[in-house]
Amino acid sequence: DQQVKQNSPSLSVQEGRISILNCDYTNSMFDYFLWYKKYPAEGPTFLISISSIKDKNEDGRFTVFLNKSAKHLSLHIVPSQPGDSAVYFCAAVRMDSSYKLIFGSGTRLLVRP
Amino acid sequence: EAGVAQSPRYKIIEKRQSVAFWCNPISGHATLYWYQQILGQGPKLLIQFQNNGVVDDSQLPKDRFSAERLKGVDSTLKIQPAKLEDSAVYLCASSPRTVQETQYFGPGTRLLVL
Repeated sequence: DQQVKQNSPSLSVQEGRISILNCDYTNSMFDYFLWYKKYPAEGPTFLISISSIKDKNEDGRFTVFLNKSAKHLSLHIVPSQPGDSAVYFCAAVRMDSSYKLIFGSGTRLLVRP
Repeated sequence: EAGVAQSPRYKIIEKRQSVAFWCNPISGHATLYWYQQILGQGPKLLIQFQNNGVVDDSQLPKDRFSAERLKGVDSTLKIQPAKLEDSAVYLCASSPRTVQETQYFGPGTRLLVL
């Protein structure tokens, strides 16, 4: 039972354009969402997060949008840079439980120069 | 600040053999996690420690996997005996406290079981 889904295994965008990565979840009890970025041979690194009481959080070129009614969140990267090429994981957590992160399967982003 | 350290980085074993992974979390971090990441999937939590006590091991296959965190610092994860389906990257992560949404990951140990 996949509670967090990233349905696009890969995405390719031109440098300077917008990258949009999507994530869907099924458990309405999730109340905190995170995006992690992973380069080859490295562990995931925290990128940005959003609480369920918000619908948008912005940090520089990265913005995460949350649509609770649709159980959907997205990560926007503007403008995209070649160094953004990595695998991006969406994760969800219930703050009232053991803080267990439930990860999606990841989306591989390639930013073409 | 030093990150989460893991060793070895790579390990190849035959099925039914045993293997152990080591993790040294960020200094002062009370909570330590072990994840299994199978190719094409996201990380899946195996076990979570708060200091040297287990908080969650509901997804740890206890018939073959074991983990310990002595003195609330370093941790080891052991598989005995290994199966082909245990081939994966084993990630260790730590966070300053249990109620902490951001976890800091090590580089992982890539295990191949032949």
